[in-house]
Amino acid sequence: QQPVQSPQAVILREGEDAVINCSSSKALYSVHWYRQKHGEAPVFLMILLKGGEQKGHEKISASFNEKKQQSSLYLTASQLSYSGTYFCGTVENQAGTALIFGKGTTLSVSS
Amino acid sequence: DGGITQSPKYLFRKEGQNVTLSCEQNLNHDAMYWYRQDPGQGLRLIYYSQIVNDFQKGDIAEGYSVSREKKESFPLTVTSAQKNPTAFYLCASSIAHSRRDSSYEQYFGPGTRLTVT
Repeated sequence: QQPVQSPQAVILREGEDAVINCSSSKALYSVHWYRQKHGEAPVFLMILLKGGEQKGHEKISASFNEKKQQSSLYLTASQLSYSGTYFCGTVENQAGTALIFGKGTTLSVSS
Repeated sequence: DGGITQSPKYLFRKEGQNVTLSCEQNLNHDAMYWYRQDPGQGLRLIYYSQIVNDFQKGDIAEGYSVSREKKESFPLTVTSAQKNPTAFYLCASSIAHSRRDSSYEQYFGPGTRLTVT
């Protein structure tokens, strides 16, 4: 089951904050976050594991609510370099399942 | 430098022809993956392989085939049975295909953009 990301697109000025959400209808074991710049390969940001703590990466952090099967990515004091498409990927609790990506959220940061 | 290479970057084919996309990694990763990316659709899993000589279908395997004869190589063949083959194809690898640890982080290659006319 493909996770649902919201919003589909975000437009920010430098220094503003943003939140990207990822939700699933299935019980999840982990949530992964990747960022892809136009024409490039996706780059890993972080993994949130079931029962784990909130993770952080520079000014980007994320949380994972296991009960709601939801994860949120927090981008604080955005920089121009944060522009790109953010994908969440989910791994369901059922053994043997593969990572399934959402459709992505496009973030545009301007000066 | 360790990484994943995909070649070529751009590929053009006529409808009805099979085409094979190359993916090589020197990261000593056990698991490898093929994704297809279309505008607004995210990354959709085609096939994945957890170990040499073994692979599993993903969500959109119809019209594609793979092989895993060597640990470092995972070529994808787009057959003439694939109805809409024009897309951006991404190969990825991870240390293991295990949901139980952070080694599940995937490393992506630069991608191959396939155009079929």
